[in-house]
Amino acid sequence: SQTIHQWPATLVQPVGSPLSLECTVEGTSNPNLYWYRQAAGRGLQLLFYSVGIGQISSEVPQNLSASRPQDRQFILSSKKLLLSDSGFYLCAWSPGLASLAQYFGPGTRLLVL
Amino acid sequence: GESVGLHLPTLSVQEGDNSIINCAYSNSASDYFIWYKQESGKGPQFIIDIRSNMDKRQGQRVTVLLNKTVKHLSLQIAATQPGDSAVYFCAENGVISGGFKTIFGAGTRLFVKA
Repeated sequence: SQTIHQWPATLVQPVGSPLSLECTVEGTSNPNLYWYRQAAGRGLQLLFYSVGIGQISSEVPQNLSASRPQDRQFILSSKKLLLSDSGFYLCAWSPGLASLAQYFGPGTRLLVL
Repeated sequence: GESVGLHLPTLSVQEGDNSIINCAYSNSASDYFIWYKQESGKGPQFIIDIRSNMDKRQGQRVTVLLNKTVKHLSLQIAATQPGDSAVYFCAENGVISGGFKTIFGAGTRLFVKA
């Protein structure tokens, strides 16, 4: 069966510090991968998605970037965090873009102080 | 523009009653719909899905209804239990604004009273 991992689970970082969140998927090949941000009590905002190694599509301009160095690894980064980057970051995978469900990881809660 | 929205942001039901969570979508090209359940501090979990060639699909204690005429989706939970307390999101998939996308609704928080 497929599993998706995210780490760390919780992170407290000062403003201006760098960020690296990692997501890995097991039990599948060539997944589509997604990064979402969720503000407290709100819905999901798609940040990035990837259909293959090195292929990243950005949905919203922001202080963050994403990379996919391996087939089942997706990384969310920032060079300098802002207060507004605080939130719950969710990674998800799907077998393909066309009409298939996305399956979410446990999330990383980021607090920027 | 395209949107998936929810009629009721908060729903409170008595334990044992049936719950109905509603969702409206605006993109007639969407052909696949999903309901997710998100418990506090966790990622959304897939509950049930339905394709546009169907109008009803049943799972264990859950039923999804799709009305394409009025672009409405609902999730029915039978005999609601305290463990059903969570935020429920609907999502639509389809060709939106020239590309294939998944759009999530804002979510409905379900409270189950014991």
